[in-house]
Amino acid sequence: QVQLQESGPGLVRPSGTLSLTCAVSGGSMSSNTWWTWVRQPPGKGLEWIADIFDSGRTNYNPSLESRVTISLDKSKNQFSLNLISITAADTAMYYCAGRLEGGGPFWGQGTLVTVSS
Amino acid sequence: EIVMTQSPATLSVSPGERATLFCRASQSISTNLAWYQQKPGQAPRLLIYGASTRATGIAARFSGSGSGTEFTLTISSLQSEDFAVYYCQQYNYWWTFGQGTKVEIK
Repeated sequence: QVQLQESGPGLVRPSGTLSLTCAVSGGSMSSNTWWTWVRQPPGKGLEWIADIFDSGRTNYNPSLESRVTISLDKSKNQFSLNLISITAADTAMYYCAGRLEGGGPFWGQGTLVTVSS
Repeated sequence: EIVMTQSPATLSVSPGERATLFCRASQSISTNLAWYQQKPGQAPRLLIYGASTRATGIAARFSGSGSGTEFTLTISSLQSEDFAVYYCQQYNYWWTFGQGTKVEIK
């Protein structure tokens, strides 16, 4: 069974760049899979950020599109998220997730990112 | 963007009772819908996908139904561990989530 594990800095300075990585284990990064980032600010709901198909095709949340890049590295069994021009509003638990076409979503445990000087 | 609307916002139920949660999509999503349970400090836990398929290891008391724009999650007999927040999510076009239904002890 595929497992996902997020890693990241924990604390980011305002106006800085957030870089997160999701390691995929328990299997290779199969074809026909969407790889996704989702976030959840403290005490709030879930917000989809972006996803990338194994072909490299990407989709971005329009509210974040100007600041976000998602990428895929199959050789390292991982995918990544870059978010620039960080503000306090970006403080959240960040989750990576995946979904094989035709199947259900599967998620990592999340990593907390706090934006503070 | 497909907007997902959940109702009610809060559901007060006694242990052993049945709970029914609703989710409406702003446009048809076929059966590309998932339900999650989330407890404080934990990641969302997948309960149902494809509107009605239970995820691996999920108890039979959880069931989902619906297609198009109207969906339902039913918990047939609430156990103490079921009190949590429940989210619906569409994955027909990108991902969007409902605002959540909190199931609390009556």
